[in-house]
Amino acid sequence: ETGVTQSPTHLIKTRGQQVTLRCSSQSGHNTVSWYQQALGQGPQFIFQYYREEENGRGNFPPRFSGLQFPNYSSELNVNALELDDSALYLCASSSVDTQYFGPGTRLTVL
Amino acid sequence: RKEVEQDPGPFNVPEGATVAFNCTYSNSASQSFFWYRQDCRKEPKLLMSVYSSGNEDGRFTAQLNRASQYISLLIRDSKLSDSATYLCVVNLNDYKLSFGAGTTVTVRA
Repeated sequence: ETGVTQSPTHLIKTRGQQVTLRCSSQSGHNTVSWYQQALGQGPQFIFQYYREEENGRGNFPPRFSGLQFPNYSSELNVNALELDDSALYLCASSSVDTQYFGPGTRLTVL
Repeated sequence: RKEVEQDPGPFNVPEGATVAFNCTYSNSASQSFFWYRQDCRKEPKLLMSVYSSGNEDGRFTAQLNRASQYISLLIRDSKLSDSATYLCVVNLNDYKLSFGAGTTVTVRA
């Protein structure tokens, strides 16, 4: 196993609600990246955090935001949920260029 | 044009067969390359990095052709446990991985 953990494993929300997803990185990894994977698609990069600062962002609107804490764990927050936000949300931790993924949080928006 | 494109398959092969598939990437400045494996409803897991000289890990062989901007994966002596979706991944810069949509391989007994 990678040592990357995510919570919760599954979540059901309704449109307009807000959600917070959590990720604990592998020991020794100071970088966390978040991805969204819709059914039948590859993961799409949302953003990355390095030492508590956003280090890069993909093509996602501002209602997707994040945090990284001093212990390198991270949160992904999504406001004003839309039906299309239903997906598997993956976090990956890394120390160099290889990223190791957690099991993901499956979000369903009704 | 998508950053990474893959043949979605599916590739249905008998046990013991060899299966190979490619992906192409659009950005010639891409720095590093990987194959990840993803089982149904699970997270992607790193299968192997891909180096310019080509590399092999057991029954798996990966090749990179920078001039033509494609990456290949070959699986020899396929096992039932090789059934999965194989994701081609390109590192465009220091932080972003770009994934293809995946190639589905099904190995039958």
